[in-house]
Amino acid sequence: ELKVEQNPLFLSMQEGKNYTIYCNYSTTSDRLYWYRQDPGKSLESLFVLLSNGAVKQEGRLMASLDTKARLSTLHITAAVHDLSATYFCAVGIEGNYQLIWGAGTKLIIKP
Amino acid sequence: DAGVIQSPRHEVTEMGQEVTLRCKLISGHNSLFWYRQTMMRGLELLIYFNNNVPIDDSGMPEDRFSAKMPNASFSTLKIQPSEPRDSAVYFCASRNRANYGYTFGSGTRLTVV
Repeated sequence: ELKVEQNPLFLSMQEGKNYTIYCNYSTTSDRLYWYRQDPGKSLESLFVLLSNGAVKQEGRLMASLDTKARLSTLHITAAVHDLSATYFCAVGIEGNYQLIWGAGTKLIIKP
Repeated sequence: DAGVIQSPRHEVTEMGQEVTLRCKLISGHNSLFWYRQTMMRGLELLIYFNNNVPIDDSGMPEDRFSAKMPNASFSTLKIQPSEPRDSAVYFCASRNRANYGYTFGSGTRLTVV
């Protein structure tokens, strides 16, 4: 059974700091996704990572994938208040279209 | 591209009533997923379709829940009869076969009183 673990589940940090959210998964996968969810809103796609060593960046967010370690990271650089949200990683099951979701990391960035 | 469109955005209903949630997919997306999100259980996959065919409904809580996809662009999720424990936000999402991305609708917040 594919399991996805995110840590931390809750993170409070100051503006201007850097931090990393980790996403570990238990079996092989060919796709990894990062989503953002603001309170009361839908899930917004941030990154799709499809190969070992993939790195994608958008603004202050950078995601990477190490399929050998079964680990993805979402790195936040010089955090700003607007990045406060819950971040989810999701892993694709090989051979079908389902995604297995992490529990989410609630990120609060204090001005 | 209008995105994945869900209706209604909010639904308040009395226990025992039938509830129908609707979802319109993005044109060209061929897979449709219904999710339920609550604080206690997080995001749960209820059912997904590929090319209008239900592939996995193991997440459907019980027989009170049913889903249909009558054509390539539209799906419904029905709860009959509804119960207070069904209160949640229900999302549908569609998958873009070209870039493997999944797009979520804005969700339906269901409250059963």
